[in-house]
Amino acid sequence: EVQLVESGGGLIQPGGSLRLSCVASGFTFSIYDMHWVRLVLGKGLEWVSSVAAAGGGTYYAASVKGRFAVSREDDKNSFLLQMNSLRAEDTAVYYCVREDYGGHINAFDIWGQGTMVTVSS
Amino acid sequence: EIVLTQSPDFQSVTPKEKVTITCRASQTIGNKLHWYQRKPEQSPKLLIKYASQSISGVPSRFSGSGSGTDFTLTINGLEAEDAAAYYCQQSNSLPVTFGGGTKVEIK
Repeated sequence: EVQLVESGGGLIQPGGSLRLSCVASGFTFSIYDMHWVRLVLGKGLEWVSSVAAAGGGTYYAASVKGRFAVSREDDKNSFLLQMNSLRAEDTAVYYCVREDYGGHINAFDIWGQGTMVTVSS
Repeated sequence: EIVLTQSPDFQSVTPKEKVTITCRASQTIGNKLHWYQRKPEQSPKLLIKYASQSISGVPSRFSGSGSGTDFTLTINGLEAEDAAAYYCQQSNSLPVTFGGGTKVEIK
């Protein structure tokens, strides 16, 4: 079964750091571009960051650039999001997402179950 | 950044009725527009890709159309299980952006 499982969310004070992890199974992880997308409750979906397959580049939304760092470990089928200098507005459910294979930026075909990040004092 | 404007924000619909949700892009994006469904307490699920391409396992009552800047998601014969939020998303360029969402409620 194709699956993405996130972990690492929780309650953190403003200015703190958290590291989200996503473990993939059921497909050849290394050939897929991967993304983090967050759902701000009461608002909507926001793309956060991505890392391309095969040593490709990393990309960030303007709202997190300079504070978040994305990486992947293909030998562990793992995808990571290091979040620093967290703000209240980063509070959201964070989803690990697989991009459909082939071409330049495709649809997001597989989503994890999400992990909740709450930034509050 | 490409802005996607969805309408309506909310729709209350009787079962078996037809539902139409529109998504307008701030610049032309060809057919690089996708639709997702998010039911309460669940992750989003891909419904339609590239404006009109169906997805395996998605009921045939869901269909999409449009190109350029104007797109439509249609649910032909709403069922109770379709109560959800629906989002459009563009993949023409980074940053990937989503529409604000349309909440569909069953009357």
